[in-house]
Amino acid sequence: DIQMTQSPSSLSASVGDRVTITCRASQNISRTSQSISRSLHWYQQKPGKAPNLLIYAASTLQSGVPSRFSGSESGTDFTLTINNLQPEDFAVYYCQQTYKTPITFGQGTRLDIK
Amino acid sequence: QVQLVESGGGVVQPGRSLRLSCAVSGFTFSNAAMHWVRQAPGKGPEWVALISYNGYNQNYADSVKGRFTISRDNSKNTVSLQMNSLRAEDTAVYFCARSIPNGNPLGVFDFWGQGTLVTVSS
Repeated sequence: DIQMTQSPSSLSASVGDRVTITCRASQNISRTSQSISRSLHWYQQKPGKAPNLLIYAASTLQSGVPSRFSGSESGTDFTLTINNLQPEDFAVYYCQQTYKTPITFGQGTRLDIK
Repeated sequence: QVQLVESGGGVVQPGRSLRLSCAVSGFTFSNAAMHWVRQAPGKGPEWVALISYNGYNQNYADSVKGRFTISRDNSKNTVSLQMNSLRAEDTAVYFCARSIPNGNPLGVFDFWGQGTLVTVSS
């Protein structure tokens, strides 16, 4: 199985801050073939709600998601960056790999208000 | 708009069975692979099962293999999860989710239902 390790597990920040969350895969899951999309995605989850897709294929912003969210990759490391934190951004963030089954998620990063 | 609505959750005794359903609308259901994902209280999401767009292929997490069965009815726009031999550790909110319909059953999950709670307890 591909293990997804997120860091940090929790983070405190203030409105207006820039934060970075990292996800490391236990295997290389980047593919560059035009016929195969890259397989690392980021979700935001608020209490009592389903995860909400933010970024797919490592760096593509989902429709309707504010541009302060961005994603990048470097080998087996993937990064979610949130610029100019807004009050509604305080939530739990998960990475996910869909490279192969079993599909796996990171353990989550809880972003709290400082 | 795309909607996924789960039903069938509840309280069930260990060893018993439960069937979850997910009713889908707002897109061409037969074009999309579908998944079940669960989330135990206070934990992260855990992928459970997937079914291909035409129902011919299924795949399961090891934790449920041999006990759970995913199925779909493309004429009724529904995907189901039959859960047998339930255990306490199956207690979770169960979500159905759609793989973005790009031909890859392992595509990103772009729409999710609101979830249904399954509690396995004596």
